[in-house]
Amino acid sequence: EIVMTQSPATLSVSPGERATLSCRASQSVSNKLAWYQQKPGQSHRLLIYGASTRAAGIPARFSGSGSGTEFTLTISGVQSEDFAVYYCQQYNNWPRNTFGQGTKLEIK
Amino acid sequence: EVQLVQSGAEVKKPGDSLRISCKASGYSFTTYWITWVRQMPGKGLEWMGNIDPTDSYTNYSPSFQGHVTISVDKSISTAYLHWGSLEASDTAMYFCARQGQYTYGYFDPWGQGTQVTVSS
Repeated sequence: EIVMTQSPATLSVSPGERATLSCRASQSVSNKLAWYQQKPGQSHRLLIYGASTRAAGIPARFSGSGSGTEFTLTISGVQSEDFAVYYCQQYNNWPRNTFGQGTKLEIK
Repeated sequence: EVQLVQSGAEVKKPGDSLRISCKASGYSFTTYWITWVRQMPGKGLEWMGNIDPTDSYTNYSPSFQGHVTISVDKSISTAYLHWGSLEASDTAMYFCARQGQYTYGYFDPWGQGTQVTVSS
């Protein structure tokens, strides 16, 4: 099983700052990497797929990068509505999947 | 609009059986797989398994194999997650999501979630 490790577990930033979230795979997943956002009490929203492609309706301040085993989700100019938990997911060995354990983005 | 609407919250006792549902609308149901994800209280996401509605071919995570069953009813565009005998440790929120194939194997959209509480 491919293990996904996210860091940090919690990231504290001030509104307007840049947030950088990391996701590492235990073996190469090519670019088959997605990022999701979960706000308290809500379901999940797809942000990024294919490691770097924004999903429909996702603001340009969200960007994804990386390939192989190292991936990054960057939020340029964090806004109040961005404070949430973010998960990465690999789908390189589809139909099987694994998630990272999540990074909580909180207000500093 | 593509939507997945899940059944409501359930409160059950250990040993009970349970089936929760996920009704799809806004797209051709057999074009995409349906996946199920568990989120235990205060914890992260765990992929449970998925199903191809075309032929009901299923895949399960080793962690859930044998404990749950995933099925579909194509005639009503609905997927199901079934437990034959619930345990207290099954208490969690369960999400369904639409999943593409291969290069498109990400989850979009997600259902709103079904809370399952198992307590004596």
